Amino acid sequence: QQQVKQSPQSLIVQKGGISIINCAYENTAFDYFPWYQQFPGKGPALLIAIRPDVSEKKEGRFTISFNKSAKQFSLHIMDSQPGDSATYFCAASTTGNQGGKLIFGQGTELSVKP
Amino acid sequence: NAGVTQTPKFRILKIGQSMTLQCTQDMNHNYMYWYRQDPGMGLKLIYYSVGAGITDKGEVPNGYNVSRSTTEDFPLRLELAAPSQTSVYFCASSYSPVGGYTFGSGTRLTVV
Repeated sequence: QQQVKQSPQSLIVQKGGISIINCAYENTAFDYFPWYQQFPGKGPALLIAIRPDVSEKKEGRFTISFNKSAKQFSLHIMDSQPGDSATYFCAASTTGNQGGKLIFGQGTELSVKP
Repeated sequence: NAGVTQTPKFRILKIGQSMTLQCTQDMNHNYMYWYRQDPGMGLKLIYYSVGAGITDKGEVPNGYNVSRSTTEDFPLRLELAAPSQTSVYFCASSYSPVGGYTFGSGTRLTVV
């Protein structure tokens, strides 16, 4: 019940295209859903996050879509660029007492071809 | 700002040896975490701390120990290293449960 399942494992997109990465969770107590971006040899960095009281959040070319009833959320990268090539992780956590422990998905390796 | 600093960056251990992975943050964050990253497995939480003197186990704590004597430092101790502990270890900190994590650059550990 603590798992976050992420798909696909790898993704190849042409420059200018839309990259879509999906995540699903079981624990209905989760109330914080961030996405992290990781470049080779670096630690993950927060990209964008959403709380379950909204269905969509957009920051520049990055959008999170959230479906509470389906227990799914996804990351959309519009106008994908070669510089977006990285590994992306979704995550989830509860924010109550002793919260803040992120459960990560398995990761998606995105390659944007020029 | 240094952020989260991890040392060493690389280490090779022999089976049965012990070592401490160091983690220091200069952002005065109360929350600190240790994760391990294995290919195709995402990041798994080893231990976490919500403040100095308070630590608790995560998903995969076996074979590890931590301490948190100050807000800044959160070292991870490996006792009796095993090949299964070959991984990349990340330390992270955050200012609140809904704050984004700041990760260190990682320690790549190989146990042979």
